[in-house]
Amino acid sequence: NAGVTQTPKFQVLKTGQSMTLQCAQDMNHEYMSWYRQDPGMGLRLIHYSVGAGITDQGEVPNGYNVSRSTTEDFPLRLLSAAPSQTSVYFCASSYSNPGASEKLFFGSGTQLSVL
Amino acid sequence: AQKITQTQPGMFVQEKEAVTLDCTYDTSDPSYGLFWYKQPSSGEMIFLIYQGSYDQQNATEGRYSLNFQKARKSANLVISASQLGDSAMYFCAMRELSSQGGSEKLVFGKGTKLTVNP
Repeated sequence: NAGVTQTPKFQVLKTGQSMTLQCAQDMNHEYMSWYRQDPGMGLRLIHYSVGAGITDQGEVPNGYNVSRSTTEDFPLRLLSAAPSQTSVYFCASSYSNPGASEKLFFGSGTQLSVL
Repeated sequence: AQKITQTQPGMFVQEKEAVTLDCTYDTSDPSYGLFWYKQPSSGEMIFLIYQGSYDQQNATEGRYSLNFQKARKSANLVISASQLGDSAMYFCAMRELSSQGGSEKLVFGKGTKLTVNP
């Protein structure tokens, strides 16, 4: 049982380059989300999705795009990387059953550096 | 406005003693869930404990308990009998349910770094 799989684990980009962080889960979770973690800032929500074809913005969506064409996959796209996007990125998923614990299952993270 | 506030950037505790990590939250939704996660230096996010807004009793999971005071909007994590392996970042988080009954986003506080001294 793989859980939440994030790739790559490390990435170095030059300013202006684009790339996609991949996230896949095999637990049939409706809810998927992307967070970035910066020192002293906790985890901040970038985008999230409550099901295939449905996405919404979180706290810090600028500079990022997402899509949810399948239940399993939720890629995060950096359109034109900037040094301010240097961070650790986490993908997380959960069930969306009201009243359930709905705890998030996290991927192992992607450390991104933008030079 | 920040929805989750953790006022202790860092905490120290002696091994085998108990420690309380503070968390206050802000919501107008009567239905919500509160979570605590642990992040050791390895970087993984580990779920610790959950409290639902309608739960009558405080949640407990082994050495972890959640001191839930609904009127004060606080959800403090209590770790009993601290161990060296408890040294980590601890994050409080809240999930609000939408008016349609489906889940909404989960937001995190900035975290508290706990150091357990031998």
